[in-house]
Parts: sequence; structure tokens; C-alpha cells
Amino acid sequence: EADIYQTPRYLVIGTGKKITLECSQTMGHDKMYWYQQDPGMELHLIHYSYGVNSTEKGDLSSESTVSRIRTEHFPLTLESARPSHTSQYLCASSESGTLNSNQPQHFGDGTRLSIL
Amino acid sequence: ILNVEQSPQSLHVQEGDSTNFTCSFPSSNFYALHWYRWETAKSPEALFVMTLNGDEKKKGRISATLNTKEGYSYLYIKGSQPEDSATYLCAFKFSGYALNFGKGTSLLVTP
Repeated sequence: EADIYQTPRYLVIGTGKKITLECSQTMGHDKMYWYQQDPGMELHLIHYSYGVNSTEKGDLSSESTVSRIRTEHFPLTLESARPSHTSQYLCASSESGTLNSNQPQHFGDGTRLSIL
Repeated sequence: ILNVEQSPQSLHVQEGDSTNFTCSFPSSNFYALHWYRWETAKSPEALFVMTLNGDEKKKGRISATLNTKEGYSYLYIKGSQPEDSATYLCAFKFSGYALNFGKGTSLLVTP
């Protein structure tokens, strides 16, 4: 009963292509996040947003960019894909409230990206 | 990025066994500790969010405890079932937004 959707689930594409990974949620959450996970490694936060027109970089440096024009939509873009971008990307959202509220995060199924 | 350590890395138990695993995190600047279950080909699912030292939370056969002074949390599964097979992630929150995840404990429960 996922309320947060990511597309595509899998993407294999050549170097140099522009890629957009889609993430949408129907829960009305203001806070949204993008995580990157390499095999056998931890999830690392690469971008987050507190609401429309708010985006910030996470702890792990990433060449990707994000936008938040609508509450429900938080796409991630790679302008020119490279093999080093091969990874799994997970989108998440959490309930609104105060900045410091401790709500769990709700995750999408992820996108497995492979750059040839 | 603050280190969150989870042990063991993997665990294989028989159906009916009880099991537990550990999450260690920096004891300073503690804000919250999250536990998630991640089944293969699915999305991570929140189990618990704990904030206070001494917190104990329970959800069915799964429970968790928290010690913020010494920087650890235990996750217990009583009477493991094959459907409990998953990777269990803990994540430490030290500020308003960032969750620092461990690598997870991969649990396999065989009939």
C-alpha cells in the first residue's frame, strides 16, 4: 500500500545521457529526501526538501540536482550520467510538523541505476 | 557523517528461535534512533522511532530498547518466522533533518 512512488524501478543507460528519477507521494508530506546506496554500504542522504521551493544538499556530495515545484513531486536529475553514478536511489518523505519532529520516514521502492 | 555500527552483519536462525541485534551510535548530540525493516524487492518500512533514554517499544513479536548514555539500541525478535527475513536498519538522528544509517543486519529465518 505504498503512498510514495518511484519510477523507473530499473534503468540501464549509456554515459552522457540526461536522467530524471521521479518521486511522488500522496500523503501531503512537506519533507522529502533522496538517499543513495552503493552495494553493501549505508544509505546516504544526498538531497532533502522542507517544502515547495526548498532544497538542500545532504551529507554525501552528489552531482545530481533536485527540484520541488509541487508538494507531492521531488524529481532528481543527472545532467550527464557517468559510470560512477551507478547506484540505488531511494526517495522518502515524512510528516510535516516542527523542524525537529521525530516522525518516521516513508520510503519508495527505489531506482536501480546502471550507467554503462 | 557520523558512524552507526550494526552487528552482526548477518544472522541465520531457525524458525521459532529468538534473536537480537545491536546498533551502536555516538552518545553525544543524540536526537532520535530509528529502526527500519527492509525486505528484498520492497521499500524500507519504519518499525520504531525512539527518543528517550530507557525507551522500550514493541510491535508484535519485535521490540527495541534504547540506551542514549552509552550509545546503543537492541532489536529483539521473539519466535522468529520466515516472514521476518529482511535487513534491519538502524538510523541515528543528531540534528533536525539528517538520518545516519548503519549498513544493516541481514536476517534469514529458515523453516
